[in-house]
Amino acid sequence: GQQVMQIPQYQHVQEGEDFTTYCNSSTTLSNIQWYKQRPGGHPVFLIQLVKSGEVKKQKRLTFQFGEAKKNSSLHITATQTTDVGTYFCAESDSWGKLQFGAGTQVVVTP
Amino acid sequence: GAGVSQSPRYKVAKRGQDVALRCDPISGHVSLFWYQQALGQGPEFLTYFQNEAQLDKSGLPSDRFFAERPEGSVSTLKIQRTQQEDSAVYLCASTPGLAGGGEQFFGPGTRLTVL
Repeated sequence: GQQVMQIPQYQHVQEGEDFTTYCNSSTTLSNIQWYKQRPGGHPVFLIQLVKSGEVKKQKRLTFQFGEAKKNSSLHITATQTTDVGTYFCAESDSWGKLQFGAGTQVVVTP
Repeated sequence: GAGVSQSPRYKVAKRGQDVALRCDPISGHVSLFWYQQALGQGPEFLTYFQNEAQLDKSGLPSDRFFAERPEGSVSTLKIQRTQQEDSAVYLCASTPGLAGGGEQFFGPGTRLTVL
């Protein structure tokens, strides 16, 4: 089963607005990866976070790893229609096996 | 091609039929993973290969599922006596190294529908 919980499950956003999606775990995570899956597509890697409190930015996307390494967030500013898709967080084990959350499906209204 | 490829892209099977799904990882990638993605869910791990060695098959749902990678490159996931609950997208991913962490490169997936 999935050990990382993602909220919200669905996110409707007006184009130009900001939103945040969250990934939570009851246990300490060794790392967190974020993937984006467009409708009908496959997961595409966005970022990996490893250190407590780590923050990384990619243009309009900001990724954060919590201080206790039990949660992570993805914040998107000035949402565009190209941001449509499902965003997954996942923990990688020592071999690379990924344990995914259920994802946040993002719909953007023009 | 530069990416991971999978075939067929779509497969419709009658309940009880056997199916074989193929994955061509990125050339030179040592590690290969299979995942199953049900509609509206995140991918679920099935099995992992390091070169030709299957190091983890803990995610295979039943003994009807079998995977191989005999020469350490192409991999095949075989499902015997398919059931309706096997309907899902089967994703293959590869990584260049032996250890975990880092980007996984996913193929486009095979959408399996069992009638």
